Amino acid sequence: EVQLVESGGGLVQPGGSLTLSCEISGFTFRTYWMSWVRQAPGKGLEWVANIKEDGSEKYYVDSVKGRFTISRDNAKNSLFLQMKSLRAEDTAVYFCAREGWTVLDYWGQGTLVTVSS
Amino acid sequence: SSELTQDPAVSVALGQTVRITCQGDSLRHYAASWYQQRPGQAPVVVIYGNNNRPSGIPDRFSGSRSGNTASLTITGAQAEDEADYFCHSRDIGNNRLGYVFGPATKVAVL
Repeated sequence: EVQLVESGGGLVQPGGSLTLSCEISGFTFRTYWMSWVRQAPGKGLEWVANIKEDGSEKYYVDSVKGRFTISRDNAKNSLFLQMKSLRAEDTAVYFCAREGWTVLDYWGQGTLVTVSS
Repeated sequence: SSELTQDPAVSVALGQTVRITCQGDSLRHYAASWYQQRPGQAPVVVIYGNNNRPSGIPDRFSGSRSGNTASLTITGAQAEDEADYFCHSRDIGNNRLGYVFGPATKVAVL
């Protein structure tokens, strides 16, 4: 059974940092691109970043470039999102998702990040 | 980045058919996917590659694409289909290996 389990969310002050993790099981992690997607409270989905199978390519939505870093550890079946200089508008549930061909075919349940003083 | 547009909300009587549309330039170049999201839950893909249904998704869900418009049709809507539906495709802007989502259509089953 495919499982993606996010962790690391919480309350952080504006300007602070947080690192999210996503533990994967049930498929061969090292053979898939992976994405992070977020959803602000009561709002729609926003793709945040993705990373190639071997970590050699990474892409970000403009609003997080220079502040967020996506990474992975294929030996530990784990995906990460390092977030710095957090802003109130980064408040959201963050989902990790497996990429198929132009589709995000498996999602975790999400972890809530709240940026507030 | 590119944009996808959707009608904000639609209602359908139980057992009837509803079609949701999604428009955007990226759909001329890339396939559309559709995700169902119930309150408090993670999104679930119901259609990918414009018209493919994942295993486990009821066959009342179908998809199509023409030009810059993708459609999701629910034929014989059930109460459990009440949810938000997001369309999705690759981005044709600077992040060509990134993605873009539509703003969602809220489906109410009456």
